[in-house]
Amino acid sequence: DGGITQSPKYLFRKEGQNVTLSCEQNLNHDAMYWYRQDPGQGLRLIYYSQIVNDFQKGDIAEGYSVSREKKESFPLTVTSAQKNPTALYLCASSIRNEAFFGQGTRLTVV
Amino acid sequence: GENVEQHPSTLSVQEGDSAVIKCTYSDSASNYFPWYKQELGKGPQLIIDIRSNVGEKKDQRIAVTLNKTAKHFSLHITETQPEDSAVYFCAASEWSQGNLIFGKGTKLSVKP
Repeated sequence: DGGITQSPKYLFRKEGQNVTLSCEQNLNHDAMYWYRQDPGQGLRLIYYSQIVNDFQKGDIAEGYSVSREKKESFPLTVTSAQKNPTALYLCASSIRNEAFFGQGTRLTVV
Repeated sequence: GENVEQHPSTLSVQEGDSAVIKCTYSDSASNYFPWYKQELGKGPQLIIDIRSNVGEKKDQRIAVTLNKTAKHFSLHITETQPEDSAVYFCAASEWSQGNLIFGKGTKLSVKP
């Protein structure tokens, strides 16, 4: 099946911990994105990457980091500097402007 | 930068009625306007899109209209069915460049 695979589906983090969310795509898309979804807030862009080994900050990058070492993979690390990380995290890839989304990782701070 | 406003935030209709969701955008350079549907527990999925060289596009029961002068676009769903219940997001960007900027979403409930 072609698409975007995010893992894990649910993730629990203790305060002060860093956690890494996985995103893999087999669509051969150059561009990949991370969005955060909170109730009533829509989708807010965290980081994006238009090409391997290059990425840019989105609107809410503080407390997050990414890497893009392979075309297929765009992992997101939620650091302890992110004070309110509980949210649904959505990864997407795109060709031209059409974005294809994964099912998301729901992160909860415990 | 671009700002997209979406209304209403919630919408409840009876099965068979029509539903309309409206969005406005601020950046006149935007020329690509997609609509995404997000079902419970899933990621958003593209359902229809429109580029600024056309004013209306239809696909079976769904249609999108664009008023470039007024900077607003709308999603129309006719003959609604319970499976249309979901959260709908509008977005705007420049075609082939720029990132999608999303509205805050509309939760549509279709009552049987």
